Amino acid sequence: DVKVTQSSRYLVKRTGEKVFLECVQDMDHENMFWYRQDPGLGLRLIYFSYDVKMKEKGDIPEGYSVSREKKERFSLILESASTNQTSMYLCASSHYRASSYEQYFGPGTRLTVT
Amino acid sequence: DQQVKQNSPSLSVQEGRISILNCDYTNSMFDYFLWYKKYPAEGPTFLISISSIKDKNEDGRFTVFLNKSAKHLSLHIVPSQPGDSAVYFCAASLNTGNQFYFGTGTSLTVIP
Repeated sequence: DVKVTQSSRYLVKRTGEKVFLECVQDMDHENMFWYRQDPGLGLRLIYFSYDVKMKEKGDIPEGYSVSREKKERFSLILESASTNQTSMYLCASSHYRASSYEQYFGPGTRLTVT
Repeated sequence: DQQVKQNSPSLSVQEGRISILNCDYTNSMFDYFLWYKKYPAEGPTFLISISSIKDKNEDGRFTVFLNKSAKHLSLHIVPSQPGDSAVYFCAASLNTGNQFYFGTGTSLTVIP
């Protein structure tokens, strides 16, 4: 059973703080993703990684960076948190198989920046 | 620019009836489509998928239909159950499978 865990369910940070969101998957998946979910906007891709130390920008990478030092762990970093980064952050992983690409999601981190 | 669109933010259906959730896309290069279900305070969970070489895929009460010429897919749930009440997202992927494009979601309420 695939498991994707995120370090925190709820987080409150102040404007200007550096924020780390951690994600770990236990299924040896090659691909990992960070999304944010906002009402009326659905899930928007921030960054993804298809291998260790590899990263690709998604649709909204501004204000974020990522780190993937180990295959099972993918970190999202908010260099200087701002109030418009208040959101639900979802991590996902997927195995690259020709037959299907379904992603497995973590429970999400609700981040509030005050 | 939203490449995958779900134009109905919400849908209410009586228990036992059919629920039809719709999704449109703009990129004709998409070749794999998925539906996810999301309960509050949980991450989305995979529901059903379809490859562009098919026009229908069925799994129990859930059927996904793909109309490539119209760039449209739909999810049918028959019969609908109260436990199906959730937000449903459609998603599309290119051949690489490395990037997924999600719709904005449709909130389904099944009324007992």
